[in-house]
Amino acid sequence: DIQMTQSPSSLSASLGDRVTITCRASQNINNYLNWYQQKPGKAPDLLIYAASRLQSGVPSRFSGSGSGTDFTLTISSLQREDFATYYCQQSYSALTFGGGTKVEIK
Amino acid sequence: EVQLVESGGGLVQPGGSLRLSCAASGFTFSSYWMHWVRQAPGKGLVWVSRIDSDGSRTSYADFVKGRFTISRDNAKNTLFLQMNSLRAEDTAMYYCVRVPYYSDRSAYGYSFYYYMDVWGRGTTVTVSS
Repeated sequence: DIQMTQSPSSLSASLGDRVTITCRASQNINNYLNWYQQKPGKAPDLLIYAASRLQSGVPSRFSGSGSGTDFTLTISSLQREDFATYYCQQSYSALTFGGGTKVEIK
Repeated sequence: EVQLVESGGGLVQPGGSLRLSCAASGFTFSSYWMHWVRQAPGKGLVWVSRIDSDGSRTSYADFVKGRFTISRDNAKNTLFLQMNSLRAEDTAMYYCVRVPYYSDRSAYGYSFYYYMDVWGRGTTVTVSS
């Protein structure tokens, strides 16, 4: 099974900060990588699919990059509504999630 | 409006059974693969099971294989998860999820990128004596 490791597991940031979250796959997954945002008590929302393609309706401050085993989710200027937990997910073989990264207010 | 609404969760004793349902609306249900994903309290997301668009192919996570059965009724736009021999570790919020794909052509042929674009609000399953 492909293991997905996210780092950091949590971070504190201020409004307007540039935030980067990393996801590493245990083997080459090309660009079969998705990112989701989950707020407390809510279902996850899709942000990015195929590593870098922005889901319709998602603000352009979110971007994804990477290929192979290393991927990043970047929020260019953190907004109040972005404080949430973020998950990566590989779709190369089955669908497995990373452990999540909680973004908190500094 | 595209919507998924789960139901059927509740409190059940270890060894018991539950049947979850997911009612779909606002899209052509029979055109999509559907999945179940769960999330234990305070924990991360875990894939549970999937079914293809006509119900002919299914797949399960190892920890539910032989205990859970996924199925669908395309005439009623409904997805199901039959859960037997429940354990305390099955306690979680269960989400019904729509999974489309994006296709991309390259020199090597077509690649299909699956992603979870529509989620229900979830239904809570608690396994406890």
